[in-house]
Amino acid sequence: DQQVKQNSPSLSVQEGRISILNCDYTNSMFDYFLWYKKYPAEGPTFLISISSIKDKNEDGRFTVFLNKSAKHLSLHIVPSQPGDSAVYFCAARDPNEKLTFGTGTRLTIIP
Amino acid sequence: NAGVTQTPKFRVLKTGQSMTLLCAQDMNHEYMYWYRQDPGMGLRLIHYSVGEGTTAKGEVPDGYNVSRLKKQNFLLGLESAAPSQTSVYFCASGHRTSNTEAFFGQGTRLTVV
Repeated sequence: DQQVKQNSPSLSVQEGRISILNCDYTNSMFDYFLWYKKYPAEGPTFLISISSIKDKNEDGRFTVFLNKSAKHLSLHIVPSQPGDSAVYFCAARDPNEKLTFGTGTRLTIIP
Repeated sequence: NAGVTQTPKFRVLKTGQSMTLLCAQDMNHEYMYWYRQDPGMGLRLIHYSVGEGTTAKGEVPDGYNVSRLKKQNFLLGLESAAPSQTSVYFCASGHRTSNTEAFFGQGTRLTVV
């Protein structure tokens, strides 16, 4: 049972435009959500996070939105840059500190 | 500051062999996790630990065992390796405070032939 889902395996965006990555979850007990970025042959690196008591968190070009009623979060990257090309994972943490990841979305920024 | 270190980085095993993957963190983190990454499957949690001496099962624990005898180390064992365990394994650690992220190691690529 996939509790965290990323339904788009891949996404291509023109450089300078906005990239929007989506994530859905099923467990209403999740209290903290994170986005990670992964380059080939490297471990995932943390990008941005949001607590379940908030609906938006912004850090430079990256903004995460949380819609608890829809059990949906999204990551906005604007403007997109070639270095943003990577696989992006969303993750959700439950009160037992179990951290569950989605299947990932491969983002390609087209110069 | 080394962060999270995984040993080894690469390994080839024959079916039925056993091995232990070591994860070491120097950040005094309470929580540690083992994941496997497979194409199209994302990162799947194998086992995790919320403190020294405690472990818990994740999504895909079968065929693996873990131990957390020391706070800084989290060991993942394969008693009898199978080709289905060919994967990239990632370890992560995190702090027992709210709203903090988990830090990942660089991964271990395991091939079982």
